[in-house]
Amino acid sequence: RKEVEQDPGPFNVPEGATVAFNCTYSNSASQSFFWYRQDCRKEPKLLMSVYSSGNEDGRFTAQLNRASQYISLLIRDSKLSDSATYLCVVKGTGNQFYFGTGTSLTVIP
Amino acid sequence: SQTIHQWPATLVQPVGSPLSLECTVEGTSNPNLYWYRQAAGRGLQLLFYSIGIDQISSEVPQNLSASRPQDRQFILSSKKLLLSDSGFYLCAWSVGGHVNQPQHFGDGTRLSIL
Repeated sequence: RKEVEQDPGPFNVPEGATVAFNCTYSNSASQSFFWYRQDCRKEPKLLMSVYSSGNEDGRFTAQLNRASQYISLLIRDSKLSDSATYLCVVKGTGNQFYFGTGTSLTVIP
Repeated sequence: SQTIHQWPATLVQPVGSPLSLECTVEGTSNPNLYWYRQAAGRGLQLLFYSIGIDQISSEVPQNLSASRPQDRQFILSSKKLLLSDSGFYLCAWSVGGHVNQPQHFGDGTRLSIL
């Protein structure tokens, strides 16, 4: 079983739409959770950390459900510039980070 | 502030040739360092990570090796490249000893094997 699983999509949404991505992780002892964004042929960049109580950064909201072992990312009022691949990342008790394969988002004019 | 430098940005090498990719981090001490490979359209595959000088953990058996001769320098090498070594190589760092700190990536090296 993979450490982190994501729906690969693709998600094609119109500008202004709200879109949500989910991610599940297998290790209940995982301690840290993140969402990264990766543009085509570029390196992943940290979008936001995910805190136990949930957190918001502008149009982006991240939530963590430890009981069900899933993480979500909600994007409101989608912009064309939000088009990218979104990576769910989980860190366990050691030094390794476990990456999902990513969810592709295309925002359509 | 911390920065990570990775070079070269692109590289075209013949099969059987050697490889050396270098990554350096500035503005922090004793970082955890990582090498990943990403094949086209695929997820990130962890190759090596290091928690200190000369301390390397290998995740996938292959013809690649890594070294950390200095605290903030991480080198990925191969003596003889294979066609399957093509991909996007990413170096990353995170704060050592801190669970909740994320990783930060270099710009990556796009390696093509001919």
